Amino acid sequence: DAGITQSPRHKVTETGTPVTLRCHQTENHRYMYWYRQDPGHGLRLIHYSYGVKDTDKGEVSDGYSVSRSKTEDFLLTLESATSSQTSVYFCAILSTGSYGYTFGSGTRLTVV
Amino acid sequence: TQLLEQSPQFLSIQEGENLTVYCNSSSVFSSLQWYRQEPGEGPVLLVTVVTGGEVKKLKRLTFQFGDARKDSSLHITAAQTGDTGLYLCAGAPDAGGTSYGKLTFGQGTILTVHP
Repeated sequence: DAGITQSPRHKVTETGTPVTLRCHQTENHRYMYWYRQDPGHGLRLIHYSYGVKDTDKGEVSDGYSVSRSKTEDFLLTLESATSSQTSVYFCAILSTGSYGYTFGSGTRLTVV
Repeated sequence: TQLLEQSPQFLSIQEGENLTVYCNSSSVFSSLQWYRQEPGEGPVLLVTVVTGGEVKKLKRLTFQFGDARKDSSLHITAAQTGDTGLYLCAGAPDAGGTSYGKLTFGQGTILTVHP
C-alpha cells in the first residue's frame, strides 16, 4: 500500500487565522487530491495536483489554496479560516493500478 | 457537474439479513468505485468496476455496474456486525485530460448491523 500521511490529525483554530494542512506520500504518485467531508455532502473536491507545480481547482475551492513544490508533499492552506471550513479534510493519491484512491487518515479541523 | 445519488442514506439491519445500496446518476462514468469508511479513518477502496454490465464479487459483497455505466449497486449477503460502516460510491468522469482522477462521490450510506 502507498504510504500517505496527513498532519496534523486534529486542529482547533480561531476565525481569521491562516491554517496549513500537510499531505505526504512516499510512493512518487503523480496525482494528489484534497477533499473535505461533511455530513450529508459526502466528499467534495477542493483542489488537486497532477504534478509538481501543477494544480487546479475542484468544486469547493473558494477560501483555499494549495502548493506542490515536491512530488511527495501537497499542502492545503486556508487563507483566513471561517467557521464554514470546520470539516474533516482528506488527502488522496490516485493508484493507477486500481483506478481508485488511497486516502490518508484525515485531519479534523475546527474553526472557532 | 456530475452528480451521484446514493440510497438509502441510512440502513439499520439485523445480522444475517441481506441488503442493497444503490448509486444512480444521469451522467455516464468511465468507472465506478465503492469505498468503506470506519470512524476516524479515511475511506478504503473495496472495488472498481469499469465495464457496463460488469459484476464483481468480494466474498459476501456483490457489486454491479449498470449497462449504461450510469448506476451501480452493492449487495451484501448475510450481513455481519463487522460490515458496519459508511459506504461510498464514486464515479470517474468519462473524459480525459485534467479531469483524470477527479471522482464524484455519492453522499454515502451509513450501515449499522445489529447482533
